[in-house]
Amino acid sequence: EVQLVESGGGLVKPGGSLRLSCAASGFTFSSYTMNWVRQAPGRGLEWVSSIIISSTSIYYADSVKGRFTISRDNAKNSLYLQMNSLRAEDTAVYYCARVEEGYNWNDRYYYGMDVWGQGTTVTVSS
Amino acid sequence: DIQMTQSPSSLSASVGDRVTITCRASQSIGTYLNWYQQKPGKAPKLLIYAASSLQSGVPSGFSASGSGTHFTLTISSLQPEDFATYFCQQGYSTPYTFGQGTRLEIK
Repeated sequence: EVQLVESGGGLVKPGGSLRLSCAASGFTFSSYTMNWVRQAPGRGLEWVSSIIISSTSIYYADSVKGRFTISRDNAKNSLYLQMNSLRAEDTAVYYCARVEEGYNWNDRYYYGMDVWGQGTTVTVSS
Repeated sequence: DIQMTQSPSSLSASVGDRVTITCRASQSIGTYLNWYQQKPGKAPKLLIYAASSLQSGVPSGFSASGSGTHFTLTISSLQPEDFATYFCQQGYSTPYTFGQGTRLEIK
């Protein structure tokens, strides 16, 4: 079964740190770009970060740039999100999701986030 | 950043109705547009990728079209399980922004 399972969420004080993990199974993890997407309570979806297969290209939303670090370990089929200097506005459910993207000759394709984890809740509060 | 705007924000409809949700991008994104369905307490589910391609396993009652800045998602005949929130998302450039969502409720 194709599956992503997040862990590492919890309650943390403002300014604190957390490290989220996402364990992949049932597919070739090293063939997919991976993402973190979050959803604040009662709000919409916010893309947080992406990391391509080789980890040579990494992208962040401005709201987390300089505070969050995405990484992956293809040998362990795992994705991570190190979150530092946490703020109240980082409170959300954090999802990991895979996306199939790449190039056919010179044509880029991006086939959407087709597998998602169940989410892990991060609460930043004093 | 590319802004994605969905309309309507909410919609009441009945089982069997045909409904259309619109998503507009603040600049041209070609066909790098995806649609997701989300039910309360659950992760989003990919319905449509590349503006009009039906994701495997998604019922054929869902269809989508568009390119450039204007996109639509249509449900041809609402089923009880279709009542959910729908999001569009652009995959043209980072940040990969989502629309604010359209909540589809039972009338």
